[in-house]
Amino acid sequence: KQEVTQIPAALSVPEGENLVLNCSFTDSAIYNLQWFRQDPGKGLTSLLLIQSSQREQTSGRLNASLDKSSGRSTLYIAASQPGDSATYLCAVIISSGSARQLTFGSGTQLTVLP
Amino acid sequence: EPEVTQTPSHQVTQMGQEVILRCVPISNHLYFYWYRQILGQKVEFLVSFYNNEISEKSEIFDDQFSVERPDGSNFTLKIRSTKLEDSAMYFCASRTFGKYEQYFGPGTRLTVT
Repeated sequence: KQEVTQIPAALSVPEGENLVLNCSFTDSAIYNLQWFRQDPGKGLTSLLLIQSSQREQTSGRLNASLDKSSGRSTLYIAASQPGDSATYLCAVIISSGSARQLTFGSGTQLTVLP
Repeated sequence: EPEVTQTPSHQVTQMGQEVILRCVPISNHLYFYWYRQILGQKVEFLVSFYNNEISEKSEIFDDQFSVERPDGSNFTLKIRSTKLEDSAMYFCASRTFGKYEQYFGPGTRLTVT
């Protein structure tokens, strides 16, 4: 059974710092990996999706990398801002099954201090 | 930009009652999902729906739950005889054919008392 782990569970950084969030998964047979942002009491906002054949994806100040063989992904946030404060979730889609449902990690709660 | 919508945003119900959570997926999407997140826990997959039938369901999705696409726009999750442990945030998601990025709605917070 696929397990997704995110470390650290919480992270607090001063504004302007670059930071890395980590995600690991136990079964490397994934189809793709998706990073989300969740604000308190709100829904999930898709940030980036990396297909299994890709090594990284970039969107603005965000860069996500994927190393399937080692079962790891990182989300790099450049020049962090207080508005980046949220919980960041990674989720994988396993290769088997037609539904392509997501298996989520427990998230990293990021606080960017002004 | 098209988005997934969900109603109501918050539902309070008594134990044993039936609830229906509603979702309007993005209009050209063909795959629909329900997930739930119990407070402080991971987001968990419940069920996926394609071509008017369930394509996959988790062990959480037992006979207490059902899904339906009653018309061309709505996608509903029915929970019969609610239990205290059904209290959670329920998210609907959708995606289009051939692409795997899922788009989530804002969620319905279900509180069972």
